[in-house]
Amino acid sequence: DTAVSQTPKYLVTQMGNDKSIKCEQNLGHDTMYWYKQDSKKFLKIMFSYNNKELIINETVPNRFSPKSPDKAHLNLHINSLELGDSAVYFCASSQVGQPLGGQSREFEAFFGQGTRLTVV
Amino acid sequence: GNSVTQMEGPVTLSEEAFLTINCTYTATGYPSLFWYVQYPGEGLQLLLKATKADDKGSNKGFEATYRKETTSFHLEKGSVQVSDSAVYFCALSDLFGFGNEKLTFGTGTRLTIIP
Repeated sequence: DTAVSQTPKYLVTQMGNDKSIKCEQNLGHDTMYWYKQDSKKFLKIMFSYNNKELIINETVPNRFSPKSPDKAHLNLHINSLELGDSAVYFCASSQVGQPLGGQSREFEAFFGQGTRLTVV
Repeated sequence: GNSVTQMEGPVTLSEEAFLTINCTYTATGYPSLFWYVQYPGEGLQLLLKATKADDKGSNKGFEATYRKETTSFHLEKGSVQVSDSAVYFCALSDLFGFGNEKLTFGTGTRLTIIP
């Protein structure tokens, strides 16, 4: 049973098109994310949602619009695709757990398999 | 803000060699530290983690110890195999508050093991 699943795995599209990537998690987590991995493998957070509410929005062009219909789903819609949008997009989910002592808390994030977007 | 600095790659080793991939971090508060691995064509998998100072995370023969005094979390393995070829990411958790957490990643280190 896949914990975090995203579709499609590969997406090839022309410049100017609009496309969506879907993500679902069956872990019961409250928080979901989109990360972007560029051609040099660098991973950077784009968005996070907690219980359907946008929490983190990191300097992402407004052509990118996440939508969370419920806490198990976080979709990413991209308008007017550009060549520079070509990357691997990872969905993830997490849950912050109980305090561990001091101010540390249990935390782990689970990632989907990624969507390789190629804009031509 | 918080950041992770990771050893630049690529790293190429012979099978059964000893592996060290360096990772240092800058953080306020009490982050947890992680190593994630990305095998060719696959997504990110958690390899190991440590949640507080002096904790040692271990998995599949890999180990890393959370060193607060040197702000480091170096990954080690005593004898690498061809199947360990992958990209390895060091990461820390930024926990600003419930619902506001995220992972900050290093740049990744590509490891290639030759038979």
